[in-house]
Amino acid sequence: AQKITQTQPGMFVQEKEAVTLDCTYDTSDPSYGLFWYKQPSSGEMIFLIYQGSYDQQNATEGRYSLNFQKARKSANLVISASQLGDSAMYFCAMNRAGGFKTIFGAGTRLFVKA
Amino acid sequence: GAVVSQHPSRVICKSGTSVKIECRSLDFQATTMFWYRQFPKQSLMLMATSNEGSKATYEQGVEKDKFLINHASLTLSTLTVTSAHPEDSSFYICSARTLAGDTQYFGPGTRLTVL
Repeated sequence: AQKITQTQPGMFVQEKEAVTLDCTYDTSDPSYGLFWYKQPSSGEMIFLIYQGSYDQQNATEGRYSLNFQKARKSANLVISASQLGDSAMYFCAMNRAGGFKTIFGAGTRLFVKA
Repeated sequence: GAVVSQHPSRVICKSGTSVKIECRSLDFQATTMFWYRQFPKQSLMLMATSNEGSKATYEQGVEKDKFLINHASLTLSTLTVTSAHPEDSSFYICSARTLAGDTQYFGPGTRLTVL
């Protein structure tokens, strides 16, 4: 069975600083995908970044990067130069390669301080 | 990126009525759409996987007769909450998977309140 664990219910970061949101996962599938989504107070789920289990390099998308450590089964999200608009709920997610059933972690609420 | 819409964004209904929520992929075709439910301050819970032209696959514990899903075309899936009760009040989110990739794109969600 697959499982996603986010151990940080809430995080604070000063504006313009970097922050790391933790995510560990458990799966027996040899091929899988890892995702991070942002959910602001409006409720919409915004796709941020994707990492395939066989990707050699860590994924990056603008200010977002995914620190993928396969042996440790971790997929931490790093947000550089935090902005006030980054304040939101962040979910780590995983699915088996092929795009079916995605499971989500409990989420981490990020607060960016001015 | 790919755009998914949901309608309505908010709905308030009386107990016992049925409510239909539409999920559309606007700029891509989606053979598979997913319906999630999210309670306040909790994570998303997958309710069912909707496949175009075939019956939906429901997750364990989800009543298929209560949550009717129809995926009539490659761009439209509907969720009907039948005989809604206050405990069905929740945030319902759909997502659609592109044909090419593994990424799911989410709709903006529908907040259902049953009085």
